[in-house]
Amino acid sequence: EAGVAQSPRYKIIEKRQSVAFWCNPISGHATLYWYQQILGQGPKLLIQFQNNGVVDDSQLPKDRFSAERLKGVDSTLKIQPAKLEDSAVYLCASSLGASPLHFGNGTRLTVT
Amino acid sequence: RKEVEQDPGPFNVPEGATVAFNCTYSNSASQSFFWYRQDCRKEPKLLMSVYSSGNEDGRFTAQLNRASQYISLLIRDSKLSDSATYLCVVTLIYNQGGKLIFGQGTELSVKP
Repeated sequence: EAGVAQSPRYKIIEKRQSVAFWCNPISGHATLYWYQQILGQGPKLLIQFQNNGVVDDSQLPKDRFSAERLKGVDSTLKIQPAKLEDSAVYLCASSLGASPLHFGNGTRLTVT
Repeated sequence: RKEVEQDPGPFNVPEGATVAFNCTYSNSASQSFFWYRQDCRKEPKLLMSVYSSGNEDGRFTAQLNRASQYISLLIRDSKLSDSATYLCVVTLIYNQGGKLIFGQGTELSVKP
């Protein structure tokens, strides 16, 4: 079974620039999650999709972050404009129903 | 109060030691509980689910106390390869799926 695919693995940008991350979940997994993990902290949920609908985006900074999952399969997360405090690993995960999460390798973002 | 709170680390133990991690959660409606393991610069991976009756998987024992809203993980005869960050995860289930909330993680370092 192919795992959760994410790209890019690493990204370095300057503050105020824009960046986008891509995620392809495990085939058949209806639920897709984007987490932000700052160094030394646990993952924090940014947004959760059920198919192509948003289930929870209460912790997504909507003034600068956006995410979509138009066809209910892969998803993109965008930051525009980026701030220094956005430096983190962005983890995508998927699950089937109430099954445990399967994470991708993550995208390590550095904002300078 | 944080939704999920873990023992602050790091824990530095010699090989063969027994180590216990504790985790408390604030929402009494929480329904599922897990321990994830995260190696340095890697994504979190499921270690084990936590059941009300307690469960064991080899050297690992997980326990849940719903009345006290407390979860624990015990590692016996620790190995060098157990060195990692251990994340406590709590799930709230609702109609459209589950929301997984991560603790901040407890780092374990097993020394020879």
